[in-house]
Amino acid sequence: SQKIEQNSEALNIQEGKTATLTCNYTNYSPAYLQWYRQDPGRGPVFLLLIRENEKEKRKERLKVTFDTTLKQSLFHITASQPADSATYLCALSMNYGGSQGNLIFGKGTKLSVKP
Amino acid sequence: EAQVTQNPRYLITVTGKKLTVTCSQNMNHEYMSWYRQDPGLGLRQIYYSMNVEVTDKGDVPEGYKVSRKEKRNFPLILESPSPNQTSLYFCASSPTTFGIYEQYFGPGTRLTVT
Repeated sequence: SQKIEQNSEALNIQEGKTATLTCNYTNYSPAYLQWYRQDPGRGPVFLLLIRENEKEKRKERLKVTFDTTLKQSLFHITASQPADSATYLCALSMNYGGSQGNLIFGKGTKLSVKP
Repeated sequence: EAQVTQNPRYLITVTGKKLTVTCSQNMNHEYMSWYRQDPGLGLRQIYYSMNVEVTDKGDVPEGYKVSRKEKRNFPLILESPSPNQTSLYFCASSPTTFGIYEQYFGPGTRLTVT
């Protein structure tokens, strides 16, 4: 079955630096890959979506890349701030057969930005 | 305000006592889905619905039922809850039939089964 892994459970960085989070997947070729932010006790909040035919997507300080050869997505937060501290989830969805509605999440990376 | 609402937010129940967690969205979204989130296991999809009267199993459907009689509502039913269903549950909706675009999540329902 498809597997999705986020490189680390926790990432600590200094304010102002760029945070880079990794999402790797195996066995299938997702049509779409999404990134969400989750704060403790709250539902995930959508950040960015990238399609299989796109290499990169940007939104303000956020950037996502998608390498279908490496089966990897990188999520970058530039000029990070303490308010960026949260858990970040990647999720992928397929585009074949009856699985279009099936969304698979990684376990998340908890980012802590220290002032 | 565009939102997904869930009720109840917190629930403590006993093994075997049927319960329903309601989910409603006011954005006219086609797609709705239920997830459970457990420490160390992450967010896992239980069931999803791509439209009214259309539902399908996610990765962990055992012990759960759903129905989609109206576009805005997608209740999650536990016919005979067991302690291993103690979890944090999220409902989500998405504007597209396939749900492959952004999902809007509800605030969560924390369920404890004793």
